[in-house]
Amino acid sequence: GAGVSQSPRYKVAKRGQDVALRCDPISGHVSLFWYQQALGQGPEFLTYFQNEAQLDKSGLPSDRFFAERPEGSVSTLKIQRTQQEDSAVYLCASSLVGGASTGELFFGEGSRLTVL
Amino acid sequence: AQSVAQPEDQVNVAEGNPLTVKCTYSVSGNPYLFWYVQYPNRGLQFLLKYITGDNLVKGSYGFEAEFNKSQTSFHLKKPSALVSDSALYFCAVRDRDYGGATNKLIFGTGTLLAVQP
Repeated sequence: GAGVSQSPRYKVAKRGQDVALRCDPISGHVSLFWYQQALGQGPEFLTYFQNEAQLDKSGLPSDRFFAERPEGSVSTLKIQRTQQEDSAVYLCASSLVGGASTGELFFGEGSRLTVL
Repeated sequence: AQSVAQPEDQVNVAEGNPLTVKCTYSVSGNPYLFWYVQYPNRGLQFLLKYITGDNLVKGSYGFEAEFNKSQTSFHLKKPSALVSDSALYFCAVRDRDYGGATNKLIFGTGTLLAVQP
């Protein structure tokens, strides 16, 4: 497709379950970002990839959160042993170039995670 | 640290009237500022950005924003609001980059724009 695609769109997990969220960025985009958006809040940065390299993971809230982009295209955000506070919309964004550019980010529609 | 503030949780305006959604920023170095719009159950969509040059930036859907360095503001404006403009609007600033590594954005808390018919 032409845009950033995320799946699943909705995920309900029981506390303690592991979840995996997928992001398929725009073809050829070098940069990929994951953001977390809690209800009524702005997106909060989680992690950043330039191609397959994870250059910034300063926003990951705990070691239960793990992200990868092994071939420099599709990325997966994994949350282990989910907690209720993990409930949020997880947004993926991609950008054409890497590094300190001023290009805009293109966002997917998000994966809404609800932890019961 | 870089940050933006959106002082209004909600802005109400009648259709056909001008609208303003406020944003102020705090940065070290040159500010790179953005506006995004989020419709219900949709991802964020880019509206416009200020990098350098003319203080009045024009963007998508008839929106524009005015960069004001002395007031550290980057307010979003539109001369005539439409009901379809009703959405959540986010101001963002590019994070300060120390090593040329990223174009990561830092977002404000958002302003809900409600345009009444």
